[in-house]
Amino acid sequence: GESVGLHLPTLSVQEGDNSIINCAYSNSASDYFIWYKQESGKGPQFIIDIRSNMDKRQGQRVTVLLNKTVKHLSLQIAATQPGDSAVYFCAENIPGTYKYIFGTGTRLKVLA
Amino acid sequence: SAVISQKPSRDICQRGTSLTIQCQVDSQVTMMFWYRQQPGQSLTLIATANQGSEATYESGFVIDKFPISRPNLTFSTLTVSNMSPEDSSIYLCSVEGDWGSYEQYFGPGTRLTVT
Repeated sequence: GESVGLHLPTLSVQEGDNSIINCAYSNSASDYFIWYKQESGKGPQFIIDIRSNMDKRQGQRVTVLLNKTVKHLSLQIAATQPGDSAVYFCAENIPGTYKYIFGTGTRLKVLA
Repeated sequence: SAVISQKPSRDICQRGTSLTIQCQVDSQVTMMFWYRQQPGQSLTLIATANQGSEATYESGFVIDKFPISRPNLTFSTLTVSNMSPEDSSIYLCSVEGDWGSYEQYFGPGTRLTVT
């Protein structure tokens, strides 16, 4: 299928290493965030979310960190695998709505 | 999470024509959303579609260009009207999670190329 994110920033990591993908958000009042993974030719896949009353949330091999002071979000992937190769987007909820603002995205390339 | 399908998965259309994209969900949802993802870009919200009311469009998107239907709680359509090459994009529908949840889940997308 076609690639998305042809001009996106790219993070290349060795298989087995940890990956850290960063995202800055715009609204200090935003209280809910989602990380999505988008593989080539597919729609975005929900990975993990976090509310603003937390600064860390862990899932299976993934951790999201939220720093409200500097309006920064990060996604950490432990023991990165070839199947993790994709474009990753953060999404910021617009307070009081069900609408989201998406970040520009980061392409993760896993090197064998 | 809901299972979301879209039709067609891709299409190549001539300028000046229109294409209607369908989004089907396997469970009832209150809100459905339509996004556009231009080549190499992130996702941009086009409109919110609630059953029984007119769709609400975001700045830069108008009903004449992107008419939306929402006839029931499991289905919606987006039409891309009078297409030009600039409309070449991936069009995605999404739905909220469980009733009242802020989680949002996406369909597989429709890849539109306008020649």
